[in-house]
Amino acid sequence: EDQVTQSPEALRLQEGESSSLNCSYTVSGLRGLFWYRQDPGKGPEFLFTLYSAGEEKEKERLKATLTKKESFLHITAPKPEDSATYLCAVPPGATNKLIFGTGTLLAVQP
Amino acid sequence: GAVVSQHPSWVICKSGTSVKIECRSLDFQATTMFWYRQFPKQSLMLMATSNEGSKATYEQGVEKDKFLINHASLTLSTLTVTSAHPEDSSFYICSARDPSTDSPLHFGNGTRLTVT
Repeated sequence: EDQVTQSPEALRLQEGESSSLNCSYTVSGLRGLFWYRQDPGKGPEFLFTLYSAGEEKEKERLKATLTKKESFLHITAPKPEDSATYLCAVPPGATNKLIFGTGTLLAVQP
Repeated sequence: GAVVSQHPSWVICKSGTSVKIECRSLDFQATTMFWYRQFPKQSLMLMATSNEGSKATYEQGVEKDKFLINHASLTLSTLTVTSAHPEDSSFYICSARDPSTDSPLHFGNGTRLTVT
């Protein structure tokens, strides 16, 4: 069964304190791993898509990487505005739908 | 970029009544849309896949007679929660992607449903 697991569930950082979020997946024939950011009371906002092991993508203070079993979202020198829930997702099988991990709630304190 | 609009953003209804939520793709045609539900401090759970011009495909455990989905046009899908009960109170989110591009799924801003 296709599955996505994220850790930690919650992470509290000081402003400027870099860290990484983990997303482990089991899926037959990966057709992309997606990272989203979700603010309270809002729908998820797309961040990155990774397709193959070794691929990396960056956007401002965020960098996503992918291996054959997991993906990392690295946050460098975070700011309070980076506080949000970060979700990873994969499409199961040959579908366009996404199954999501449980998310990591990130809080960055000034 | 692709935009998905959802309406209403929040709704309160009494037990036993029905509520309709609309999901529109604003600048692209979506033959497929997806409806998710999210309980507090939990992740998104896929409820069903809405297919334009045909019946929706429901995930295991989702009651199709309770959550009616209609996808009558290429830009509009609706989710109707019938005979709502307090346990249906949740955050409902729709999503779609532009099939003519390599875009990812884009999400609406969700509808907060409270059943009293």
